Amino acid sequence: AQTVTQSQPEMSVQEAETVTLSCTYDTSESDYYLFWYKQPPSRQMILVIRQEAYKQQNATENRFSVNFQKAAKSFSLKISDSQLGDAAMYFCAYRSAGFGNEKLTFGTGTRLTIIP
Amino acid sequence: DTGVSQDPRHKITKRGQNVTFRCDPISEHNRLYWYRQTLGQGPEFLTYFQNEAQLEKSRLLSDRFSAERPKGSFSTLEIQRTEQGDSAMYLCASSLVRGGTVQETQYFGPGTRLLVL
Repeated sequence: AQTVTQSQPEMSVQEAETVTLSCTYDTSESDYYLFWYKQPPSRQMILVIRQEAYKQQNATENRFSVNFQKAAKSFSLKISDSQLGDAAMYFCAYRSAGFGNEKLTFGTGTRLTIIP
Repeated sequence: DTGVSQDPRHKITKRGQNVTFRCDPISEHNRLYWYRQTLGQGPEFLTYFQNEAQLEKSRLLSDRFSAERPKGSFSTLEIQRTEQGDSAMYLCASSLVRGGTVQETQYFGPGTRLLVL
């Protein structure tokens, strides 16, 4: 079974600075997807960024980018120019690429605080 | 497209009572997923549907839990004889399968927060 580990329960960053959230995973599969989801307080979970394992290029979405190290099974999220609206729980998630095996496996999350 | 919706948003019940939650997926999405999230944890997979067919159930889904998606649109999750350990956020998500390819992204609803007293 796949597992996802987020070793930082809480992180804080000064507004406008850069922060990196860590995620490692364990799998024996070669093809899969990785995701970062954001869950603001009392609001629904939204997708921040996704990465296909077969792609060597790291995904980027505006101020969000990932550092995907397949051999190390590491998938960190970098948030640049942090904004107050970035404050949330961030979850790393894994999904097999196989058809019919689509459940997401989540880490325990990292609570990100933005300091004005 | 109004996104995934869930009802109710909050539910307080007494131990032993039955509760039912509803999820309406994004209109064209044919995959629907249920997850449970306890305090301080990430969501855990419970079950999912392709149209009206329930394709997978987690071992977390005990006999007291049942999920349906009778017409391949909305889904219900029922918990019978609730226990205090059932207190959690129940999340619904949906995605699209088209031409044998699964869209990789699942879109989540706001969740139903259950408190069992």
